[in-house]
Amino acid sequence: EAGVAQSPRYKIIEKRQSVAFWCNPISGHATLYWYQQILGQGPKLLIQFQNNGVVDDSQLPKDRFSAERLKGVDSTLKIQPAKLEDSAVYLCASSPWTERSYEQYFGPGTRLTVT
Amino acid sequence: AQSVAQPEDQVNVAEGNPLTVKCTYSVSGNPYLFWYVQYPNRGLQFLLKYITGDNLVKGSYGFEAEFNKSQTSFHLKKPSALVSDSALYFCAVRRPAGTASKLTFGTGTRLQVTL
Repeated sequence: EAGVAQSPRYKIIEKRQSVAFWCNPISGHATLYWYQQILGQGPKLLIQFQNNGVVDDSQLPKDRFSAERLKGVDSTLKIQPAKLEDSAVYLCASSPWTERSYEQYFGPGTRLTVT
Repeated sequence: AQSVAQPEDQVNVAEGNPLTVKCTYSVSGNPYLFWYVQYPNRGLQFLLKYITGDNLVKGSYGFEAEFNKSQTSFHLKKPSALVSDSALYFCAVRRPAGTASKLTFGTGTRLQVTL
C-alpha cells in the first residue's frame, strides 16, 4: 500500500511570499490532517478534514493560512503571506475515519524555510 | 485541555541495555495513548497504542509501553536497545473516539544508542 505523499520536500521562500504544499493521503482514508512541526517541538495540528469537510481548524492562523480538500482526496495547504516564524516542517497525515482514527499515517513532510 | 509531558530531551543508552523513554499525560476521561518515532528527514511512524485492556502494550521493533492510570504515565520501553533505535520519539494523547478530539503530541525525546 502506498503511503502518504507530499510535495515539495523542501521549499525556501522570502518573507511575504506565498507558498503551497500538496498532500495525497493513503487511498480510502477519509480523514486528513495537516500539522506544523517547529524545530524542537512536537507536531501541532493545523487542520483536520473528514472527507472534504473541516472537522477542526481551531489552530489554523486563518489570516494567512488556508487549506482545502476538494473531492475529499488530496489536499493543499497555502500560506500567504509567509512570515519568518512559519519556518517549520509541514506534515500531512491520514487515517481511515475520524471515529476510529487510532493511528495516523504520516507523510515525509515539507521543510519550509522563510528568509 | 489535554497535554503530554516528555521530561527528558535526550536519553542515552548503550547498545544491549534496556531503555525507557518517559511520558506523562493529562486528559479528561479515559485516554488513548500513542508512541511515534521520527527518523531524520522522515515523517512520524506509528509504534504502538493503548486504547483499552492490558496495561502493557507491545508494538513494532520490540518496543512496549506500560499504561499506569494512577501515575498518568505511558513510558516506552525496550529490553535491549539497538544503535538503529536512535531517533526522536513522540508520545501523544487524545480523548476517546466519539468526540471531535485531536491528537496532542509531546515535545519529543531524542534517543541516542551507542556501541
